[in-house]
Amino acid sequence: GAVVSQHPSRVICKSGTSVKIECRSLDFQATTMFWYRQFPKQSLMLMATSNEGSKATYEQGVEKDKFLINHASLTLSTLTVTSAHPEDSSFYICSASRRATEAFFGQGTRLTVV
Amino acid sequence: KQEVTQIPAALSVPEGENLVLNCSFTDSAIYNLQWFRQDPGKGLTSLLLIQSSQREQTSGRLNASLDKSSGRSTLYIAASQPGDSATYLCAVSDSGYALNFGKGTSLLVTP
Repeated sequence: GAVVSQHPSRVICKSGTSVKIECRSLDFQATTMFWYRQFPKQSLMLMATSNEGSKATYEQGVEKDKFLINHASLTLSTLTVTSAHPEDSSFYICSASRRATEAFFGQGTRLTVV
Repeated sequence: KQEVTQIPAALSVPEGENLVLNCSFTDSAIYNLQWFRQDPGKGLTSLLLIQSSQREQTSGRLNASLDKSSGRSTLYIAASQPGDSATYLCAVSDSGYALNFGKGTSLLVTP
């Protein structure tokens, strides 16, 4: 099967610092990766779509300068939350897809900003 | 914009019961529909994927149906077990494979 690994699973950081979350497709090349965010008792909401080698496409209301996405290779995408604040505390999860197939999800990252 | 609604929001059943979770979506022009399971604080486990051309998919005790024209899907769980307790998410995708999720149904199966 297709395996997507996300790291770290949990992170606590101080307000004002930056946090990087990694998403790797372990056994396939992911042409597209997606980043989602889930607040308590809410749906998972798409934040951005990234294609390897090009700039990410952000959903309305998501600040591209705050949530930096890099998809430098076909197996790795990173999400950096810059100058994190307590309101950025959330569950972040990535998914990866290869051409013409379903998307596969990572394990998610619980971010707590204190 | 695609809106996905799941009913009920929460459900508690005794072990052994058969149950149905409902999902509806507003735009019938979907590429596929997926049902996921999410355990507390964990990622998503894909349960069933139904392509837009399909009517249903089955895996073990799970059966999912899709009526694209009416914008509805159901997830049927047979002979429920305490280990089935989790949040079940319905999601639909357009051709880009980005998913629109419902808020989920929180299921509790009591022994």
